[in-house]
Amino acid sequence: DGGITQSPKYLFRKEGQNVTLSCEQNLNHDAMYWYRQDPGQGLRLIYYSQIVNDFQKGDIAEGYSVSREKKESFPLTVTSAQKNPTAFYLCASSRVWEGRNEQFFGPGTRLTVL
Amino acid sequence: AQKITQTQPGMFVQEKEAVTLDCTYDTSDQSYGLFWYKQPSSGEMIFLIYQGSYDEQNATEGRYSLNFQKARKSANLVISASQLGDSAMYFCAMSFSGGSNYKLTFGKGTLLTVNP
Repeated sequence: DGGITQSPKYLFRKEGQNVTLSCEQNLNHDAMYWYRQDPGQGLRLIYYSQIVNDFQKGDIAEGYSVSREKKESFPLTVTSAQKNPTAFYLCASSRVWEGRNEQFFGPGTRLTVL
Repeated sequence: AQKITQTQPGMFVQEKEAVTLDCTYDTSDQSYGLFWYKQPSSGEMIFLIYQGSYDEQNATEGRYSLNFQKARKSANLVISASQLGDSAMYFCAMSFSGGSNYKLTFGKGTLLTVNP
């Protein structure tokens, strides 16, 4: 079955450590996205990539980094520079058809900084 | 800049009744898309329904329909015959294209509780 996988589901990090969240899709979508969600809030865009080896900053990119070496994979690194990294992180991919950008989401990773 | 506003932080509905979740948007673009997503307590985002800015008819998907009023810039979600499993957060989102950029802007969501 096609879909988006994220791992791990839960992640605990000590202050000062970098951590990498995995996102893989087998939907053959060109575009991929990372969002952050805080309790009781909507989604905020961190980074997005429309093609391999290219990505753009979203609204809250500071303290995060990404890579897009393969079409299927878009890992997110939360660096020690991110002041408040505890949040729920969602990865998405999308296809564009008939002018419509429909995004499909993974199950998410819940990051907690201890 | 695009903006989505969901004015209802929480809504309650009795099982089997209909409920409307409000969404207003602000954009100067002529071409855009409107989406509704459902987020259960498990956290995944589930696509429900889509409305294009040039679509003349309101979108429908099973028990979900989108009441699209372009002049008022509103895109309300109507859920008919509510079920207990409809209890979740609901997000309205808008896509716009600037060149080759297709991003989604999300509202802050409405928490729907269906009572038995």
